[in-house]
Amino acid sequence: DAGITQSPRHKVTETGTPVTLRCHQTENHRYMYWYRQDPGHGLRLIHYSYGVKDTDKGEVSDGYSVSRSKTEDFLLTLESATSSQTSVYFCAISSTDYRGPADNSPLHFGNGTRLTVT
Amino acid sequence: AQKVTQAQTEISVVEKEDVTLDCVYETRDTTYYLFWYKQPPSGELVFLIRRNSFDEQNEISGRYSWNFQKSTSSFNFTITASQVVDSAVYFCALLNTGGFKTIFGAGTRLFVKA
Repeated sequence: DAGITQSPRHKVTETGTPVTLRCHQTENHRYMYWYRQDPGHGLRLIHYSYGVKDTDKGEVSDGYSVSRSKTEDFLLTLESATSSQTSVYFCAISSTDYRGPADNSPLHFGNGTRLTVT
Repeated sequence: AQKVTQAQTEISVVEKEDVTLDCVYETRDTTYYLFWYKQPPSGELVFLIRRNSFDEQNEISGRYSWNFQKSTSSFNFTITASQVVDSAVYFCALLNTGGFKTIFGAGTRLFVKA
């Protein structure tokens, strides 16, 4: 158990409303990630963080923002949800905490949040 | 650009058959890492194996084996004597050293029938 908790597990929201998903880790790992999973696309990286207040964009970052004010929490916000953001969202951490600029560790994932935007 | 292709969308086999899941990757880097992950019907994602680009030795773990060939940019996964519990979506993934972005293939859904 990698100690990753995502909340909520399920959410239904309306188009245009803001939504925040939370990822909490108990492992004190430096690197955290948000992915979305869609049929035919596998998992695509939205944003990632390499430390408190240090974040960067992934391949599908439009329409999403993130914040990391504490090591253990990584928040994903949809400022104005759209139907195209209906997806399953996974948070992940790297399994070890490399101190260098690169991280080649496997990812350990939370259980996912199923978000439906109507 | 980095890319991972899993051309097999779905595979269906009967229990005890051997099955190979294909993974082809593209990268310009000489140092990189390849991974396989499993997602059973319950939905969690589970890490199976990591390989670095300097290690082309095949690996076997029980009924699972992995064949890494740099010459063909492939990292294929074979399940020997498949079981119903192997039914899952399997993802191949690529990470370049110096980057933070693990790139996933679209996944292969494996059905193992009793």
